[in-house]
Amino acid sequence: GAGVSQTPSNKVTEKGKYVELRCDPISGHTALYWYRQSLGQGPEFLIYFQGTGAADDSGLPNDRFFAVRPEGSVSTLKIQRTERGDSAVYLCASSLGPLNRGPSNEQFFGPGTRLTVL
Amino acid sequence: KQEVTQIPAALSVPEGENLVLNCSFTDSAIYNLQWFRQDPGKGLTSLLLIQSSQREQTSGRLNASLDKSSGRSTLYIAASQPGDSATYLCAVTSTGNQFYFGTGTSLTVIP
Repeated sequence: GAGVSQTPSNKVTEKGKYVELRCDPISGHTALYWYRQSLGQGPEFLIYFQGTGAADDSGLPNDRFFAVRPEGSVSTLKIQRTERGDSAVYLCASSLGPLNRGPSNEQFFGPGTRLTVL
Repeated sequence: KQEVTQIPAALSVPEGENLVLNCSFTDSAIYNLQWFRQDPGKGLTSLLLIQSSQREQTSGRLNASLDKSSGRSTLYIAASQPGDSATYLCAVTSTGNQFYFGTGTSLTVIP
């Protein structure tokens, strides 16, 4: 497809379980971003990949959260020992180039994964 | 840390009115500012992107301006339509390579 895709669209899990959320960026986009959005709030930055490496992971809330992008395309956000407070919509975005290089730094967002931790 | 504020939080207007949404940010060291639209339960749709060296961008009935020195951006919507009803978010890319969102303005256009 032409846009950013995310799977699953919805994920319900129990407290303490492990989850993986997948993001397929737009083909050819070198930068990829993960955000978390709670109800009534703007998205909150989690991590930014440039190629295969995490250029900035300072938004990850704690060490239960981890993300990879092994081949510089698809990315997986991994959450261990989920807690009820992790419930949110997880958004992924990609851009053609890095944040500091306009105009290729325009971000395009996927539809999100709604995570519910019971 | 960059803080992004959007005013008003909610706005209701009759169809056909022109309207302005406001976004302010605390740190003027930015690469760009981007306006998005979010429909309920959906992802974000990019509306306009303004690089730090630019003053405004236009797309159809939308016009966004940027005054970096004062930390402000406005999104002007002309001749509003019911289909414009959504939440509008602005976000800035700081030179620290992070992307900060405001909390959004919820717009309702009444037919």
